[in-house]
Amino acid sequence: EVQLVESGGGLVKPGGSLRLSCAASGFTFSSYSMNWVRQAPGKGLEWVSSISSSSSYIYYADSVKGRFTISRDNAKNSLYLQMNSLRAEDTAVYYCARDSSVTTVTHWGQGTLVTVSS
Amino acid sequence: DIQMTQSPSSLSASVGDRVTITCRASQSISSYLNWYQQKPGKAPKLLIYAASSLQSGVPSRFSGSGSGTDFTLTISSLQPEDFATYYCQQSYSTSITFGQGTRLEIK
Repeated sequence: EVQLVESGGGLVKPGGSLRLSCAASGFTFSSYSMNWVRQAPGKGLEWVSSISSSSSYIYYADSVKGRFTISRDNAKNSLYLQMNSLRAEDTAVYYCARDSSVTTVTHWGQGTLVTVSS
Repeated sequence: DIQMTQSPSSLSASVGDRVTITCRASQSISSYLNWYQQKPGKAPKLLIYAASSLQSGVPSRFSGSGSGTDFTLTISSLQPEDFATYYCQQSYSTSITFGQGTRLEIK
């Protein structure tokens, strides 16, 4: 069974930094592209970033480009999101999500809440 | 970025009803279209991928159709557990985008 467990969320002040982690199990992590998707309170889903299986290809939403960095450690079955220069509008539940061989964002973690507030 | 527009934004229906939700892309996305269901406090769940393929384990009352710019999600006979918010998503572009969501409520 595919399991994705996010951690690292919390309360941070505007301008601060936070690093999210996603621990993957139940599948061969190094074979799949991974994503971060977020959802602000009471709002819809927003894709944040994607990384290919070997980290060769990385993409970001314009809203986070230059501030967030996605990375992965295939030896540790882990995905990361380094978030710098955080803003109030970055407040959201952040989901780790896996692609499949045929489409994107097929399996989701339970999410971790990031709150940016003074 | 490719914009995804869902309609309606909200919908009231009764158990047993047939319901259709539409999703329109701002440019052609071929069949790179997924549908998700999300219940309050839970992560989204993939229902349909590649516009019309049913994800494993999803009941057959869910179906999808369309290609190019216009897509539909149909629930043939609403069940109590189907009341939720539904999102479409395009993966034609490396910059993935979601529709704004359709909230399906009990009438």
